[in-house]
Amino acid sequence: GAVVSQHPSRVICKSGTSVKIECRSLDFQATTMFWYRQFPKQSLMLMATSNEGSKATYEQGVEKDKFLINHASLTLSTLTVTSAHPEDSSFYICSARLFLAGEPTWTDTQYFGPGTRLTVL
Amino acid sequence: SQQGEEDPQALSIQEGENATMNCSYKTSINNLQWYRQNSGRGLVHLILIRSNEREKHSGRLRVTLDTSKKSSSLLITASRAADTASYFCAKDRGSTLGRLYFGRGTQLTVWP
Repeated sequence: GAVVSQHPSRVICKSGTSVKIECRSLDFQATTMFWYRQFPKQSLMLMATSNEGSKATYEQGVEKDKFLINHASLTLSTLTVTSAHPEDSSFYICSARLFLAGEPTWTDTQYFGPGTRLTVL
Repeated sequence: SQQGEEDPQALSIQEGENATMNCSYKTSINNLQWYRQNSGRGLVHLILIRSNEREKHSGRLRVTLDTSKKSSSLLITASRAADTASYFCAKDRGSTLGRLYFGRGTQLTVWP
């Protein structure tokens, strides 16, 4: 099956520093990847849609200058949390979209990475 | 949550029993998907049901969709301890990019 990796799996940083998280689709190409944020015992909140070769689309309320997204290739998207603060501590999950057009039906599936736990001290 | 809710928030059953989780949504959808998440891990796709479908099966999973009530249900039959996880429904509202909006999830605990 389709595999998506994330690196690092855990990161602890000091307040004010920037942290980069990588999301890779290992065995398929993904023109679209997504970044989510999840607080303990809560739902996944879609932060932004990452499109290869173009600017990311951010959901309402998500600061694009705070969460920088780069999707430079068909297998890699990065999320950089700039000037991180303790309230940015969370579980960040990416997914890569695999859309297969076919007859009689299509399939459209997101494959999720294992997540990155960010702790900002 | 960004789009709709699941209920119950938590469900505790014995092995062998059936587990039913419900999901409601507010806006129209192109399809609805169910995912599973083990504690502190990524999500695993379980099943996708399109807006013109009413029921789908996959192994011990059965998903129904009632667009008139804007609701879906996930039934896990003959549950096992290994089914213990959080289950989320995610709504695809039909954007070309396939964005998904997740509900709060149901925490299922299956006791051996």
